[in-house]
Amino acid sequence: GAGVSQSPRYKVAKRGQDVALRCDPISGHVSLFWYQQALGQGPEFLTYFQNEAQLDKSGLPSDRFFAERPEGSVSTLKIQRTQQEDSAVYLCASSFPNSYEQYFGPGTRLTVT
Amino acid sequence: GDSVTQMEGPVTLSEEACLTINCTYTATGYPSLFWYVQYPGEGLQLLLKATKADDKGSNKGFEATYRKETTSFHLEKGSVQVSDSAVYFCALSEEVGGGADGLTFGKGTHLIIQP
Repeated sequence: GAGVSQSPRYKVAKRGQDVALRCDPISGHVSLFWYQQALGQGPEFLTYFQNEAQLDKSGLPSDRFFAERPEGSVSTLKIQRTQQEDSAVYLCASSFPNSYEQYFGPGTRLTVT
Repeated sequence: GDSVTQMEGPVTLSEEACLTINCTYTATGYPSLFWYVQYPGEGLQLLLKATKADDKGSNKGFEATYRKETTSFHLEKGSVQVSDSAVYFCALSEEVGGGADGLTFGKGTHLIIQP
């Protein structure tokens, strides 16, 4: 079956622009996670949804970052007024609740110029 | 807070060599431990896991044992292949079951296997 998909795969934004990154989880996966991976680093947790409820947003680095999952399926990570330090790969993962395995998408590489 | 430390790379080995990638962790609770792998051009995928002390996770010839006394989860393989070339990430999750919580990752170790 289809895995986790993310779009766009690559995004170039000028500093100060807003961006929206989309994640389509595996069908039936209740849990959805967003991570940020800077170059040469491991992924860092941003936020977690169970269905449409955002249960943990402790990893969001600033109030410029906002995530939503209004119907409990597709999720969007929005970054307002992008800064150069936002340049990273943004990973989405999904899983069944209380499952050990998170299934990761290919990521969106964001470059802020 | 929680953290994971793994050996810096790149690690370059010849085919059929023995592999060990060290991983140690700090956690406030009793975490589940994972190794994820990222092959060139692909997304992260779970390689193996262990959920309690002395558990051994294994997959594709790789093994790792959850050592609570040394807070370690070292990845080992007896004979590596060129196809094992990838970036390996050690990770932990505090939540029971390991799924309903974000993962804390190490920085990753780039493994290069030469024929």
